[in-house]
Formats: sequence, structure tokens, C-alpha cells
Amino acid sequence: NAGVTQTPKFQVLKTGQSMTLQCAQDMNHNSMYWYRQDPGMGLRLIYYSASEGTTDKGEVPNGYNVSRLNKREFSLRLESAAPSQTSVYFCASNITPGNTIYFGEGSWLTVV
Amino acid sequence: DQQVKQNSPSLSVQEGRISILNCDYTNSMFDYFLWYKKYPAEGPTFLISISSIKDKNEDGRFTVFLNKSAKHLSLHIVPSQPGDSAVYFCAATGTASKLTFGTGTRLQVTL
Repeated sequence: NAGVTQTPKFQVLKTGQSMTLQCAQDMNHNSMYWYRQDPGMGLRLIYYSASEGTTDKGEVPNGYNVSRLNKREFSLRLESAAPSQTSVYFCASNITPGNTIYFGEGSWLTVV
Repeated sequence: DQQVKQNSPSLSVQEGRISILNCDYTNSMFDYFLWYKKYPAEGPTFLISISSIKDKNEDGRFTVFLNKSAKHLSLHIVPSQPGDSAVYFCAATGTASKLTFGTGTRLQVTL
């Protein structure tokens, strides 16, 4: 009963380092998303993939790249981490845009 | 430009009483609304939703009301329980579009 699984759960990076957050869903959903949550800012969309083979920018895409590896997997890459990217990152998926979205448990990223 | 607004960052309610969480939206194209609940160190979980063709949807202790003319929705929890203490996010979407979330309301249910 995995749903949406994201790794790692915790990560500390130095400024300028790169890393990739991995996400996989087993619900046969077409659409996948990456959000970040910051205090007082709610959940902000970074990038999304409406279907396999497509990706689009969300509200706060700067400093990030994504790859929709296949229908199950959607990764988020920070090429050169900055302290402003310290946040909690959530991967999510749904059958198609406009439907109920299901979230992973979150990845806590600290950039020092 | 915040299209979905939750103007109360926090709310404290006594156990057994009603909790009312409010949400306003500005985009008239939104036609599906959801509430999510989030505990610390966990991902948000879907709680209840409502389509714009309805004005009320009920699921156990949780009821969502939609007032389209006022572009306002609310979540009622009756009776409130300590386990309801969490952050609640309102979200809205139009047909085949992405969800837009509010900033959340932290509910604390006290004994």
C-alpha cells in the first residue's frame, strides 16, 4: 500500500552542491507534481508532469529541473543548491489534472 | 496573486465544539474544491471535496460548504477532537488544471 514514495526523507547540502529527489507512485496515475512547503507560504508548485513525456513549470521553478523518467517516476534536481531552497518538498500524483491529488511523506532539505 | 486564501493562520477550539475553517477564492473558473489535513512530519492527506454543482458535502464529522456567489468555502468539524489538531489546506482547481493551495490554517483542539 505504498502510494507515493519519495527519497531521501532528510538531506543536508552545502551551498552549490547538487542533488536529486526521487519520487515514485504505484497508483498508475498519469500526472505527477513537485511542491515545496515553507512557513506561511502554503504549498507551492515547482514543476509538474501532466502525463508521461511532458513537464511544465509551476509557480516557483527557478533553480530546479525535473525528469519524468517513466509513468511511475518523477525526479526533482537541484543543480546548485542555495539556502533559499531549504524547505520541505512533497511529491504528489493524480489520475489527471483537476482530480484529487495524493502526496508523499515529504523530503526535508537543508542547505547550509 | 493568491487565488486561494485562508485568512486565519490559526484557530483554537475546545474539544467537543465545532471547528469552522474558512477559505476564499478569486478565480471563477475553479469548479472543484478540496480540503487536506497535514500532521507535522507527514505529507498532506485528502480529507473531503466538493464540486461546484453542490453547495454541501458531508463525510462523518466533516462537512464542506460552498458559496459560489461569495467565492467562499468552509470546513466544519463537529465535534472537534484532539486528533483533529493539524494544519488544514484548502485547494481549488478548474477542469484539467493544477490544484492551487491556500496557505493553511493551523487548528488546535484543546481539552
